[in-house]
Amino acid sequence: EAGVTQFPSHSVIEKGQTVTLRCDPISGHDNLYWYRRVMGKEIKFLLHFVKESKQDESGMPNNRFLAERTGGTYSTLKVQPAELEDSGVYFCASALNGGGGETQYFGPGTRLLVL
Amino acid sequence: GDSVTQMEGPVTLSEEAFLTINCTYTATGYPSLFWYVQYPGEGLQLLLKATKADDKGSNKGFEATYRKETTSFHLEKGSVQVSDSAVYFCALVGRNAGNMLTFGGGTRLMVKP
Repeated sequence: EAGVTQFPSHSVIEKGQTVTLRCDPISGHDNLYWYRRVMGKEIKFLLHFVKESKQDESGMPNNRFLAERTGGTYSTLKVQPAELEDSGVYFCASALNGGGGETQYFGPGTRLLVL
Repeated sequence: GDSVTQMEGPVTLSEEAFLTINCTYTATGYPSLFWYVQYPGEGLQLLLKATKADDKGSNKGFEATYRKETTSFHLEKGSVQVSDSAVYFCALVGRNAGNMLTFGGGTRLMVKP
């Protein structure tokens, strides 16, 4: 069974440009999460999808970030326009049922560098 | 809100040494507790977890016990190997926080032969 995949693995863009990150969860997992780690700080929650619906987007930093999960399969996270402070590693995770003690399976992350 | 505090690294040990990475938490109610590990060049992997007080999670020789009285979930291994070199993250899911993980800052472990 394939794990969580993310694309691209690395992205280097200039301030003001747009970047779109993609996450493919484990097949059948209704729950999909985005997290990010900026500049060696804690990994922070961004948002949670259940199928195609946003269950919790309390961690989204501002309206430059837009997440979608059309059809309840893969998800995209768009940053427009990108700022220097958006640099970091963006992780995606998926889980089957979304229960509190359930394991979330993480992808390898996308390293974003905004110059 | 919920929070996790873990010892700062890097932690440098010789092979076969005993490892402890401290982790304490603040949360409403009784959260589920996790240790994730990130090996160089890879993503986060679940190492072990515990979902209620006094539970012990274990995997690959690592252990951690959910201590409600001290709000701790310290990670231990009796004899580390070079291949254990990685960044270790303590995390929790609060009872009233949906299923979002709250992470500690991570502890880098370096094991020398």
